[in-house]
Amino acid sequence: NAGVMQNPRHLVRRRGQEARLRCSPVKGHSHVYWYRQLPEEGLKFMVYLQKENIIDESGMPKERFSAEFPKEGPSILRIQQVVRGDSAAYFCASSPFGQGGLQSSPLHFGNGTRLTVT
Amino acid sequence: KNEVEQSPQNLTAQEGEFITINCSYSVGISALHWLQQHPGGGIVSLFMLSSGKKKHGRLIATINIQEKHSSLHITASHPRDSAVYICAVMETSGSRLTFGEGTQLTVNP
Repeated sequence: NAGVMQNPRHLVRRRGQEARLRCSPVKGHSHVYWYRQLPEEGLKFMVYLQKENIIDESGMPKERFSAEFPKEGPSILRIQQVVRGDSAAYFCASSPFGQGGLQSSPLHFGNGTRLTVT
Repeated sequence: KNEVEQSPQNLTAQEGEFITINCSYSVGISALHWLQQHPGGGIVSLFMLSSGKKKHGRLIATINIQEKHSSLHITASHPRDSAVYICAVMETSGSRLTFGEGTQLTVNP
């Protein structure tokens, strides 16, 4: 299966610990998006990255959250000093082309990482 | 008011029924996506469309750009169609998807 791979599938952290969520896009896709789904809420955009660059991070909290998509390896969403409100499902999607303006391309989603903060 | 509104929020149908889920949006878009989220949470992209109509198996998606409205139809529904269906739009002014709240569909045998 050459789809988007996210790991871990489930992650439990205590308050104050760090959470690292990984996303390997579809082979050949250089555009990665992270979305968050809080309990009983809809999906919300967090960040859009292209290899080694953050294109749009307007949906990401300014503190404790960071994302990267290095030249080699998966995209990482990092949450420092987690709090209970960070408990959510975090989804990654990839596409072969960028989104925005007059350009759009189908998105391929991963199965998500379910983060529980105790 | 949300930029993307879906109706109904919940829908229960009997196997074999024809189903319609509606999506209205208030912004200029470059594309509209229909997604399916199964229990267990994985998300599958069903359609991406910017005009007209697309069909895949028993699923049909239509969009009316002038009216800012899209519909997802399921013909001959089946219990395995039970899932949350999500409409999402890509605004022309940005690079982010804005999602509707989803429609929970339950198809009973």
